[in-house]
Amino acid sequence: AQRVTQPEKLLSVFKGAPVELKCNYSYSGSPELFWYVQYSRQRLQLLLRHISRESIKGFTADLNKGETSFHLKKPFAQEEDSAMYYCALSKSGGSNYKLTFGKGTLLTVNP
Amino acid sequence: GAVVSQHPSWVICKSGTSVKIECRSLDFQATTMFWYRQFPKQSLMLMATSNEGSKATYEQGVEKDKFLINHASLTLSTLTVTSAHPEDSSFYICSGGVRGEQYFGPGTRLTVT
Repeated sequence: AQRVTQPEKLLSVFKGAPVELKCNYSYSGSPELFWYVQYSRQRLQLLLRHISRESIKGFTADLNKGETSFHLKKPFAQEEDSAMYYCALSKSGGSNYKLTFGKGTLLTVNP
Repeated sequence: GAVVSQHPSWVICKSGTSVKIECRSLDFQATTMFWYRQFPKQSLMLMATSNEGSKATYEQGVEKDKFLINHASLTLSTLTVTSAHPEDSSFYICSGGVRGEQYFGPGTRLTVT
């Protein structure tokens, strides 16, 4: 069974501080990993995916297959980063495979 | 990016009635759409996979007779909550995939009184 674990329900940092949102997964196969973000009163949107290996809004995430982790990092948090962040995985190979979400981490960036 | 819409954005219904929620892909065709349920301050729980032209695939524990899904065209999937009860009150979200990415609708807030 596939599973995504986000150990921190809440994370609070000060503006300018580094932030790391943890994500671990279990999957018997080759998964595709994603980070989704949900700002207040907005729909869920893709932040980044491991296969693109790009940085979005200063966030990066590296897939570590040995540790089965896909932690999200940003060196200097901004107040506008405050949102709910979800780690998710699916079977690799296309957009018609279902996503399994973690429980989410609510990030608050304080001024 | 692609756009997914949902209608209505919120609905209040009486216990025992049925409610239909529409999910449309506005600028792409989706052979597969997904329906999720989200409780307050909680994660999304996948309810079912909607397949165009065929039966939906439901996740374990989701009552298929209670949550009827119809995917009659490549741009429209509907979720009907039948004989709704207060415990069905929730936020329902759909998504559709294109170019390797899932796009989410804004959600529908269902309140059953």
